[in-house]
Amino acid sequence: KQEVTQIPAALSVPEGENLVLNCSFTDSAIYNLQWFRQDPGKGLTSLLLIQSSQREQTSGRLNASLDKSSGRSTLYIAASQPGDSATYLCAVRPDNTDKLIFGTGTRLQVFP
Amino acid sequence: NAGVTQTPKFRILKIGQSMTLQCTQDMNHNYMYWYRQDPGMGLKLIYYSVGAGITDKGEVPNGYNVSRSTTEDFPLRLELAAPSQTSVYFCASSYPTGTGDNEQFFGPGTRLTVL
Repeated sequence: KQEVTQIPAALSVPEGENLVLNCSFTDSAIYNLQWFRQDPGKGLTSLLLIQSSQREQTSGRLNASLDKSSGRSTLYIAASQPGDSATYLCAVRPDNTDKLIFGTGTRLQVFP
Repeated sequence: NAGVTQTPKFRILKIGQSMTLQCTQDMNHNYMYWYRQDPGMGLKLIYYSVGAGITDKGEVPNGYNVSRSTTEDFPLRLELAAPSQTSVYFCASSYPTGTGDNEQFFGPGTRLTVL
């Protein structure tokens, strides 16, 4: 059974720091992996999607990498800002399914 | 495009009451999904649909029912509300497998409390 784990569960950093959020999954047979941002009391906003054949995706200050064989993905946030404060969720789509399996998220706080 | 819309935003139910959570998307997506998110947890799939007239169970379907009569709408029905169904419910949609990235787009959620 696919399980997705995110470490750390919470992170508090000063503005300007570069930071890394980690996501690990137990079964490497995935179709893609998606990173989401969730603001308090809000829905999910898709940040990056990496297909299983890709190694990384970039959008602005965000870079997501995927190492499928080791069951890991990282979300790198450069020059963090207070506006980056949110919960970040990763989700994998196993092969031969149309479902997403979510991790429990990393709650990020960036203080001025 | 409005994307994925959900109604209501908030609802309080008494134990044993029933209600329908509405979800509509205007992106012509074939696939639609219902998730629940409990405090401090990730999302768990309740039901999903790959097209009008087709639905299937996810991880936690007990206590819920769905229907998919049109491409746009995917309502979630709670027949006998229980305190364990207190949660935030999210609807999502995507293109079919093999069409683009199959990226899922989410609605803003419905916060349900059962007392």
